[in-house]
Amino acid sequence: QKEVEQDPGPLSVPEGAIVSLNCTYSNSAFQYFMWYRQYSRKGPELLMYTYSSGNKEDGRFTAQVDKSSKYISLFIRDSQPSDSANYLCAFNTNAGKSTFGDGTTLTVKP
Amino acid sequence: KAGVTQTPRYLIKTRGQQVTLSCSPISGHRSVSWYQQTPGQGLQFLFEYFSETQRNKGNFPGRFSGRQFSNSRSEMNVSTLELGDSALYLCASTPALGVDTEAFFGQGTRLTVV
Repeated sequence: QKEVEQDPGPLSVPEGAIVSLNCTYSNSAFQYFMWYRQYSRKGPELLMYTYSSGNKEDGRFTAQVDKSSKYISLFIRDSQPSDSANYLCAFNTNAGKSTFGDGTTLTVKP
Repeated sequence: KAGVTQTPRYLIKTRGQQVTLSCSPISGHRSVSWYQQTPGQGLQFLFEYFSETQRNKGNFPGRFSGRQFSNSRSEMNVSTLELGDSALYLCASTPALGVDTEAFFGQGTRLTVV
């Protein structure tokens, strides 16, 4: 079983929809929880990171962590066509390299 | 400030050949990590270099190697290429070791092995 499982997608939504991207993990030592966005033919860029359970908001993006259930989510409100990308969750124990999910490809249709 | 630069962007090689990829980190960043990204396996860590020394290594065969120069630029080499080595190879730079939350990725090198 993989340490990290990410909802595989692909996901296609109309513009303005609320998007939910989800990952589960099994390693209790993970302390940092990250979301990356990767546009086509580009490298990943860090969107948000957090190290505690609860919600963290940044504009239209909200990262949610539930350590008790080992579950993290990224919500995108009022989604835009420019949000169309591959989204990767990532986890770190603060003692090594990050472990990434396989990514969820999101398409927001105008 | 210039970002992470990877060259070349695209590469086509034949099975059995070897290939060298290059990565120039953000100015002032001293740590460079390499990743392999494939549709089936996601983003997998290859190795990390800091101060010209390999500090961390992922679970890849010895055909995959790398090095870092005194100016922090890094190269990775894959020898005896196999079809399964076709992937997007990404490098990421950070100011120091173990600060992945500040990692900046390059655009990657798309390697196709035929």
